[in-house]
Amino acid sequence: DTGVSQDPRHKITKRGQNVTFRCDPISEHNRLYWYRQTLGQGPEFLTYFQNEAQLEKSRLLSDRFSAERPKGSFSTLEIQRTEQGDSAMYLCASSLFRLAGEPYGDTQYFGPGTRLTVL
Amino acid sequence: AQSVSQHNHHVILSEAASLELGCNYSYGGTVNLFWYVQYPGQHLQLLLKYFSGDPLVKGIKGFEAEFIKSKFSFNLRKPSVQWSDTAEYFCAVNAVGGGSYIPTFGRGTSLIVHP
Repeated sequence: DTGVSQDPRHKITKRGQNVTFRCDPISEHNRLYWYRQTLGQGPEFLTYFQNEAQLEKSRLLSDRFSAERPKGSFSTLEIQRTEQGDSAMYLCASSLFRLAGEPYGDTQYFGPGTRLTVL
Repeated sequence: AQSVSQHNHHVILSEAASLELGCNYSYGGTVNLFWYVQYPGQHLQLLLKYFSGDPLVKGIKGFEAEFIKSKFSFNLRKPSVQWSDTAEYFCAVNAVGGGSYIPTFGRGTSLIVHP
């Protein structure tokens, strides 16, 4: 079963360092989402791509965060100048969004996440 | 922008008890609705979903949910829980149409089932 994979699974860094996470979606999926989850909360939407185009970005997302999906396959999420408040689980999900016909919508499949700790 | 409210943050039950977890959302338009489960040490998995049609949807492991449009609710139910249902449960909403597409999750309900 080739589900969504994320790398690394854990990352510990010092405040001020840059970090980059990778997500590999399910191969035929055209949408890819990034979320952040902190303890006791549900996933918080960060951004999503349809193929290589970044279609939505949360207004809460700092300029220190950037995401790419250069060939419409894997995606990277970079955090520059990390802060202690960035410590969280970063989740990736992918889906097959149907551009026409029923049903209208998509079902997201989640990866295991990358746990970031900023010291 | 839509929001999702899960009323019960922590639920403790004994095996064989019935379960109902509340989920309400705020969005006036068409929505897709989901329940996800996260077992200890595992990633989020889809339990069930509603896109259209019959408002009573059945998912995996004996779970079901009912979409009541007039109440903006999508409550999750299971008639008899098992110890293996111990997990975190998340309700999620996608607004359909309207230009902006931002999936919104509730803060989750932690369910503990005692054997």
